[in-house]
Amino acid sequence: NAGVTQTPKFQVLKTGQSMTLQCAQDMNHNSMYWYRQDPGMGLRLIYYSASEGTTDKGEVPNGYNVSRLNKREFSLRLESAAPSQTSVYFCASSEDRLGASTQYFGPGTRLTVL
Amino acid sequence: AQSVSQHNHHVILSEAASLELGCNYSYGGTVNLFWYVQYPGQHLQLLLKYFSGDPLVKGIKGFEAEFIKSKFSFNLRKPSVQWSDTAEYFCAVTKTGGGNKLTFGTGTQLKVEL
Repeated sequence: NAGVTQTPKFQVLKTGQSMTLQCAQDMNHNSMYWYRQDPGMGLRLIYYSASEGTTDKGEVPNGYNVSRLNKREFSLRLESAAPSQTSVYFCASSEDRLGASTQYFGPGTRLTVL
Repeated sequence: AQSVSQHNHHVILSEAASLELGCNYSYGGTVNLFWYVQYPGQHLQLLLKYFSGDPLVKGIKGFEAEFIKSKFSFNLRKPSVQWSDTAEYFCAVTKTGGGNKLTFGTGTQLKVEL
């Protein structure tokens, strides 16, 4: 079991460029999440998908879009990157959307926008 | 909106010292509480969680936490830290019935010196 995998590990973009961060899980989990981690701010939820076919906004969704491609995969897209989106991005998954369900995190993608 | 406060941002301890990291949340309803750890260069891992029952929960690597409802607190403790405990520690909360959206504290960076 690989758990939660993310690609790429590192990425440098110029302002205005677009890119998609990929996430996949092999634990047959129903729910998936995207967070960003910034120094001194902890992790903040960008978008989540409670189940296949559904997505919803989190705390900081502006500038991002997501796609729940199938049960395994949940991608995060930056249409026009801005320096404020420089961050470390973590994908997570959980068995279900119940509040006590443990979330398992991927290794992260470190994104720099120049 | 719920929030999580971690008052200690940086903690430095010597090996064998005792550890207590504070965590307070602001939400009047029923919550589920988590402590995650992020070792240098690694992804977040679950240390322990509380959702019901005995308010004293034990986690991996000798960590424990106590839920005190009247104080809205979920402090993390370890009687004797090791150098390998050097990491960043995050407290997080979800609302029961509110989906599985984690709200994180800002994290505590723990450094254990030999």
